[in-house]
Amino acid sequence: EVKLVESGGGLVLPGASLKLSCIVSGFTFSDYWMRWVRQAPGKGLEFIGEIKPDGSKTNYAPSMKGRFTISRDNAKNTLYLQMSSVRSEDTATYYCARQDPRHYYVMDAWGQGASVTVSS
Amino acid sequence: DVQMTQSPSNLAASPGESVSINCKASKSISKYLAWYQQKPGKANKLLIYSGSTLQSGTPSRFSGSGSGTDFTLTIRNLEPEDFGLYYCQQHNEYPPTFGAGTKLELK
Repeated sequence: EVKLVESGGGLVLPGASLKLSCIVSGFTFSDYWMRWVRQAPGKGLEFIGEIKPDGSKTNYAPSMKGRFTISRDNAKNTLYLQMSSVRSEDTATYYCARQDPRHYYVMDAWGQGASVTVSS
Repeated sequence: DVQMTQSPSNLAASPGESVSINCKASKSISKYLAWYQQKPGKANKLLIYSGSTLQSGTPSRFSGSGSGTDFTLTIRNLEPEDFGLYYCQQHNEYPPTFGAGTKLELK
């Protein structure tokens, strides 16, 4: 069974940093592009960025560049999202998702999400 | 970025009925549109990609149509488990972008 489980969310102060993790199982992690997507309360889904299977390349949505860093550890089957200088508008549920290898930009497996609240 | 506009935002229906959800792209995305279902406490589920291709495991009561800028998700003979949120997403160009969602509620 394909499984993605996010962790590391919680309450964080404005301006602080936070690192989310996504541990996967049920598939060969090192074969897949992986993505992060977020959803602010009551809002739609917003693409953050993606990382190549070997970790050598990352792409970010233009609005996300600079404060978010995606990385991975294939030996640990884990995807990461490093968030820095967080703001109230970063309050959201953060999802990791797997890229469908046959159809670019389609995400065929998702985690249940990690909730991040930015507040003083 | 390609803007995706979904309608309606909310939809109420009863089991056994059929419903349609629309998605409009701000420019042509050919056939490259995906539909996802979101339910509380569950992982988002890919239903349809490339406009009309059902993902493995998606029941045949779901269908997708459209091309260019206008797309439709139709659910026939609604089952209780179909109630939830639905999102469209263009997968034609980078960055992938989503609609704002349609909440399908029990009437």
